[in-house]
Amino acid sequence: QLQLQESGPGLVKPSETLSLTCTVSGGSINSGTYYWGWIRQTPGKGLEWIGSIYYTGRTYYSPSLKSRVTMSMDTSKNHFSLKLNSVTAADTAVFYCARLATNYFDSWGQGTLVTVSS
Amino acid sequence: EIVMTQSPATLSVSPGERATLSCRASQSVSNNLAWYQQTPGQAPRLLIYGASTRAPGIPARFSGGGSGTEFTLTISSLQSEDFAVYYCQQYNNWPLFTFGPGTKVDV
Repeated sequence: QLQLQESGPGLVKPSETLSLTCTVSGGSINSGTYYWGWIRQTPGKGLEWIGSIYYTGRTYYSPSLKSRVTMSMDTSKNHFSLKLNSVTAADTAVFYCARLATNYFDSWGQGTLVTVSS
Repeated sequence: EIVMTQSPATLSVSPGERATLSCRASQSVSNNLAWYQQTPGQAPRLLIYGASTRAPGIPARFSGGGSGTEFTLTISSLQSEDFAVYYCQQYNNWPLFTFGPGTKVDV
């Protein structure tokens, strides 16, 4: 059974870079069948798609976050990663990684809360 | 950007009753719409894609309908585990995805 698990610091200082990793088990991220994505959830803005990555390394980012986001993947470790730079308090959120069945997110990690605060 | 809206924000129903949730897109998304359910402390779970196709393992009491800009999610007879927040998501503007703000179904 596919499982996704987010990991990374739960506290990041303003202006620094948020870094998260999603480790996938029970399936390979090197499959061309799926994309892999990051979504965040805040009380104020609800669910917000951040970006997606394909096994070729091709990335797609939300226009509103594109200037600050980088996604990558390491197929040898079966994980993919998110970096969001120049964070502010507005970036405080629960971050989810998910498998994207091309169009919809059919499997999600449990989510990880990242707080931006000094 | 395609903006998704949902109504009502909160829907109060009793167990066993029928619930109908609405989702509207700011422009046509054809049938490129998914619905998710989120219970407290959990990640969203895919319920419906293609506006009306149930995801594997989803009970038949969940049904989706609509196309273009107007969509509905109907829960035919609410069970206790169905009290949750429901989100719609469009994928017509692939690879850019947007979610609705959610409808909370409570007692």
